[in-house]
Amino acid sequence: DAKTTQPTSMDCAEGRAANLPCNHSTISGNEYVYWYRQIHSQGPQYIIHGLKNNETNEMASLIITEDRKSSTLILPHATLRDTAVYYCIVIPGGKLIFGQGTELSVKP
Amino acid sequence: ETGVTQTPRHLVMGMTNKKSLKCEQHLGHNAMYWYKQSAKKPLELMFVYNFKEQTENNSVPSRFSPECPNSSHLFLHLHTLQPEDSALYLCASSQDIDRNLNTIYFGEGSWLTVV
Repeated sequence: DAKTTQPTSMDCAEGRAANLPCNHSTISGNEYVYWYRQIHSQGPQYIIHGLKNNETNEMASLIITEDRKSSTLILPHATLRDTAVYYCIVIPGGKLIFGQGTELSVKP
Repeated sequence: ETGVTQTPRHLVMGMTNKKSLKCEQHLGHNAMYWYKQSAKKPLELMFVYNFKEQTENNSVPSRFSPECPNSSHLFLHLHTLQPEDSALYLCASSQDIDRNLNTIYFGEGSWLTVV
């Protein structure tokens, strides 16, 4: 099973881009990278996923390196409401296994 | 609104009580999950159901008893719990399981306090 490594915490200024890195050096060729976030006291929220190509949706962009060993989630214009724990997950066989994630604090 | 609804949102129960958590999904999914999140800990997968059949039980104590009467509903029956079982219990659903492409959607969770 592929495992992920993320920084424990990060700060970002409101209105700036938040770039959250994730290492997944043991990822298999057909495993997707998923990103979720959990705002305090709420259920995890799906953000985005990708396999090889970069992906963008209304919430964020996902940049995956060519060797697929790492990725970066980009929140283009962070707001205070983006303060949350962000989880980078590689799904083994379809089950979400959560790690500690990155605690992102967006500051005014 | 994720399409996964959990009730109650908050529950306080004594150690000798019997209570149940309910989850309903309106997404037409076939797989449903129970997760537990204790304070300061990552989410732990408890149970997985696919087409009403339990496919995974991650060594969960028998005082937690899941029930899946159909693909849209999932219950977690609670009996003689311990204070350390106090946690946020999260229900989730997805189209199916055992695929690398499998987006899972979560409910808002049920906060359980055992006194």
